[in-house]
Amino acid sequence: QTVVTQEPSFSVSPGGTVTLTCGLSFGSVSTTYHPSWYQQTPGQAPRTLIYSTNTRSSGVPDRFSGSIFGKKAALTITGAQADDESDYYCALYMGGGVSVFGEGTKLTVL
Amino acid sequence: QVQLVESGGGVVQPGRSLRLSCVVSGFTFSNFGMHWVRQVPGKGLEWVAVVSSDGGSEYYADSVKGRFTLSRDNSKNTLYLQMSSLRVEDTAVYFCVKDYSSTWYGGDFWGQGTLVTVSP
Repeated sequence: QTVVTQEPSFSVSPGGTVTLTCGLSFGSVSTTYHPSWYQQTPGQAPRTLIYSTNTRSSGVPDRFSGSIFGKKAALTITGAQADDESDYYCALYMGGGVSVFGEGTKLTVL
Repeated sequence: QVQLVESGGGVVQPGRSLRLSCVVSGFTFSNFGMHWVRQVPGKGLEWVAVVSSDGGSEYYADSVKGRFTLSRDNSKNTLYLQMSSLRVEDTAVYFCVKDYSSTWYGGDFWGQGTLVTVSP
């Protein structure tokens, strides 16, 4: 059973920087997994922030960035704002057409 | 601008069937893979299925394989999800998602979702 791991929760101060990670229960994440990141606020559809490791989706501000950090994919938010308080999900392409989402990270800005 | 509008959700009994549709605009539909992703209210996202840009390849999550069928009509800019032998655990909001490529690497635009409730 493939498990994509994310921190259940994280907090950041307004104006601060936070890095959320996306790992695998086995092995390391690389660009071949095409990691993507999604933001969701309660009652809303998800919004794509990053795809293909580090490509920002249309309209996403450059304070959101994606990378590979060690053995994991990473989403870094610089200059955190109050409206960044959301759930963040990563997804990895596992091959054979199949993708898997992580369980999400609840980000609090306080 | 890119728009994806899902429809077809509703309340259905276990064992019955339902077909979801997703009508898209604002991009060349036939150039991109398309996914369905679902979310049980209050829970996380679950990838369900993907179809390639030409409709020639489809892949499914194990949880729906053999029960759900994904198809597309590129002449109508429409994606379909035929759901059969529905189970209570299929209850979720179903999102239509455009891939950034012609295949299945990741989504870049999402619809607003349609709620499917499977209940006796």
